[in-house]
Amino acid sequence: EIVMTQSPATLSVSPGERVTLSCRASQSVSNKLAWYQQRRGQAPRFLIYDASTRATGIPARFSGSGSGTEFTLTISSLQSEDFAVYYCQQYNNWPPITFGQGTRLEIK
Amino acid sequence: EVQLVESGGGLVQPGGSLRLSCVVSGFTFSSYSMNWVRQAPGKGLEWLSYIMRSTSTTYYADSVKGRFTISRDIAKNSLYLQMNSLRAEDTAVYYCARISPEIGYYYMDVWGKGTTVTVSS
Repeated sequence: EIVMTQSPATLSVSPGERVTLSCRASQSVSNKLAWYQQRRGQAPRFLIYDASTRATGIPARFSGSGSGTEFTLTISSLQSEDFAVYYCQQYNNWPPITFGQGTRLEIK
Repeated sequence: EVQLVESGGGLVQPGGSLRLSCVVSGFTFSSYSMNWVRQAPGKGLEWLSYIMRSTSTTYYADSVKGRFTISRDIAKNSLYLQMNSLRAEDTAVYYCARISPEIGYYYMDVWGKGTTVTVSS
């Protein structure tokens, strides 16, 4: 099973700031990595696939990068609606499909 | 509009059973593989089960293998999760999620709002 590790667990940032979230895989997943956003009390929302391709309708301030075992999600200028929990998920080697434990973005 | 609507959650005693349903609309259900994913209170996302669009091949997480069964009824545009021998640790919000139709791309592009299962005596 591929273990996905996200860091940090929580990030305190101010609106307008640029933030980078990290996701590490226990073995190479090539570029088969997705990112999801989950606002409080809501279902996850699909953001990015293949490590760097934004899903339809996702604002350009969200960008993903990486390959192999190291990945990042960057939000260039945080908006109020971006304060949420973000999960990475690998789909290169499964079952099982595995998620990271999430990074919570909170308002500083 | 693409929609997934889960139902069937509730309070059940340990050892009991529950059947979750997910009714889909706005897309051709038979063309998509589907997942069930859950989220325990205050915890992260846990993949549970997968059903393939064409062959109905299924996969399960070790945590539910032998207790949960995924199935689908194309005519009813419905996905199901039969949950038996429920334990306290199965308490969670259960989501159905659509998988990308592209071969080899197993990310989840549409999610339902979830249904809550509580296992307690």
